[in-house]
Amino acid sequence: DQQVKQNSPSLSVQEGRISILNCDYTNSMFDYFLWYKKYPAEGPTFLISISSIKDKNEDGRFTVFLNKSAKHLSLHIVPSQPGDSAVYFCAAISRGGADGLTFGKGTHLIIQP
Amino acid sequence: EPEVTQTPSHQVTQMGQEVILHCVPISNHLYFYWYRQILGQKVEFLVSFYNNEISEKSEIFDDQFSVERPDGSNFTLKIRSTKLEDSAMYFCASSGDRSGANVLTFGAGSRLTVL
Repeated sequence: DQQVKQNSPSLSVQEGRISILNCDYTNSMFDYFLWYKKYPAEGPTFLISISSIKDKNEDGRFTVFLNKSAKHLSLHIVPSQPGDSAVYFCAAISRGGADGLTFGKGTHLIIQP
Repeated sequence: EPEVTQTPSHQVTQMGQEVILHCVPISNHLYFYWYRQILGQKVEFLVSFYNNEISEKSEIFDDQFSVERPDGSNFTLKIRSTKLEDSAMYFCASSGDRSGANVLTFGAGSRLTVL
């Protein structure tokens, strides 16, 4: 039962262009969403988050959009840089619930020069 | 920048053996977690720990698993009798609080290979 789905296992984007990573969720109890970035041989690193009371959160080159009615969120990276090449995990949590973060399977972003 | 430290980075063990994975969370954090990622699959929640006791655990965290905070700095995950399907990357994480941003800081992981 995939409560958090990242349907694109990989994404290739040219340096300088916009990278858009998508995430869908099924559990309507989720009220907080996070994006983590993971390099090989390292643990996931927190990137950006958004509460369900917002529809957008921006931090430098990274913006997360949340569409609650569609149960969809996306991470925009602009402009994309070579160092952005990594696996990006979408994660969600119900802060009043009993479970930890639920992660998607990840999207491997490859930034091409 | 504060970090979560995990040891060993890689452990190979025989099926049925006990394994202990070690973690040193960020010193002023109060919440501690173990997650695992089987190769090619998603990162899965195992257990969270607060105030010297388990606060939440997933279905994966059965009687073969246990966690302990033996002193003020270490947080360990023990697998009593390892199975082949326990082979995975095990990530320790910590956070400052549960009600806030839920921003977990992860360690680099411990790769467990069960033969």
